[in-house]
Amino acid sequence: QVQLVQSGAEVKKPGASVKVSCKASGYSFSNYGITWVRQAPGQGLEWMGWISTSYGHTNYAQNLQDRLTLTTDTSTSTAYMELRSLRSDDTAVYYCARDRATSVDSWGRGTLVTVSS
Amino acid sequence: DIQMTQSPSSLSASVGDRVTITCRASQGIRNWLAWYQQKPEKAPKSLIYAASSLQSGVPSRFSGSGSGTNFTLTISSLQPEDFATYYCQQYNSYPRTFGGGTKVEIK
Repeated sequence: QVQLVQSGAEVKKPGASVKVSCKASGYSFSNYGITWVRQAPGQGLEWMGWISTSYGHTNYAQNLQDRLTLTTDTSTSTAYMELRSLRSDDTAVYYCARDRATSVDSWGRGTLVTVSS
Repeated sequence: DIQMTQSPSSLSASVGDRVTITCRASQGIRNWLAWYQQKPEKAPKSLIYAASSLQSGVPSRFSGSGSGTNFTLTISSLQPEDFATYYCQQYNSYPRTFGGGTKVEIK
C-alpha cells in the first residue's frame, strides 16, 4: 500500500533552517508529484508547493518562494522540504502528499516544526 | 490567486442527517476541485477529486458536484465517524489554494 513516512518533530530557533523528509513506498515514485502542505496550530491547510519527481520541476507559494526549497532523491524515493530563515509563524505541522495532478490522494502523518527562542 | 470560500464555516448536525457544504471559487476552475476530511490531530484524508469522483475506499454516502465556480460536498446520511473538518482545494492553477474549512459538529 502507498505509504509516505515523514521525519520526526523538530524544534528550531528563529533564523534557523529545517529540512523535513518524506520517504515514499508502495508505488512508483517517479510517476507522481509530491505536494507539501502546512497547518499552523488551530488553523486551516496552506498549500506550500509541488515538485515533479520525474523532472524536478517545482512550483512554490509566492509567500514562501524566497525561503522554500523542494527536492527529491529518486534513488531512495524520498522528497525533502527545506524552509530557511524560520520565524515563529512557521510553527506548524508540515505534510507531504502524493500528487496525482487532479488532487493529492495519500498523505504523510505530518511533521511538527516548532520555532521558538 | 484563486480564492476558495467555503460555507458554512461550521455546522451542527445529527447522525442520519443529510449535510451539504458549499465551496465557491473566485474564478472558474472547470471541475478541478478536490475535497478532504480532517479529524483532530490527524492528517487529512482525500475524499473526492475532479469535483465528483470518489477516491478509492471512500463510502458512497459522500458525493460531490458542481463545475465552474460553485461546488458542493454532500453527506447523504451522517455517520458518527464523519464528524470532522472538511476542506475544498482547487487544482485548476497554481497556487493550489484551499478553502477555509467547514467543521461538522455533533448536535
